[in-house]
Amino acid sequence: GAVVSQHPSRVICKSGTSVKIECRSLDFQATTMFWYRQFPKQSLMLMATSNEGSKATYEQGVEKDKFLINHASLTLSTLTVTSAHPEDSSFYICSARDFQTGYGYTFGSGTRLTVV
Amino acid sequence: KQEVTQIPAALSVPEGENLVLNCSFTDSAIYNLQWFRQDPGKGLTSLLLIQSSQREQTSGRLNASLDKSSGRSTLYIAASQPGDSATYLCAFRSARQLTFGSGTQLTVLP
Repeated sequence: GAVVSQHPSRVICKSGTSVKIECRSLDFQATTMFWYRQFPKQSLMLMATSNEGSKATYEQGVEKDKFLINHASLTLSTLTVTSAHPEDSSFYICSARDFQTGYGYTFGSGTRLTVV
Repeated sequence: KQEVTQIPAALSVPEGENLVLNCSFTDSAIYNLQWFRQDPGKGLTSLLLIQSSQREQTSGRLNASLDKSSGRSTLYIAASQPGDSATYLCAFRSARQLTFGSGTQLTVLP
């Protein structure tokens, strides 16, 4: 079945530094990928839609300059958290739609970001 | 704005019980509805996907139904096992995006 690989699974960084998270579709091509953020005991909130070869579409309230998204190929999207602050600490999950399985969404395993 | 509600928020049952998780949505323009399982600190695992033209889907001990007219979906788990303990999320897909419910945290006691 469709597999989405996300790395790293955990990262701890210092305030002010940048962190890059990768999301790869392993056995299918994904022209569109999605980035979500999840706070403890809460559901997933869509941050942005990543489009291969064009600019990402950000949801209202999400800072474009802080959460940089690059979708340079049909199998890779990256999310870079720039100048990270402790309030950016969260669980970030990417997903992609696999048209082969009836347009369902497949999710990565998530990245736990802790900013100290 | 699409709202997806899941009831109950938490559920604890003894092993072997059959149980039903509920998901309701406000937007009738549904493409499909997907049920996911999330273990603590992990990503999401897709359980069942119901297209708007379908009424139910089954996989093993899981059965999901979709009633567009009432804006509801249910996930039925038969003969629950401790390994079923997790948070279950329903997600409504419209033309624009996927909207998640708040989840039901299930604990199956051995």
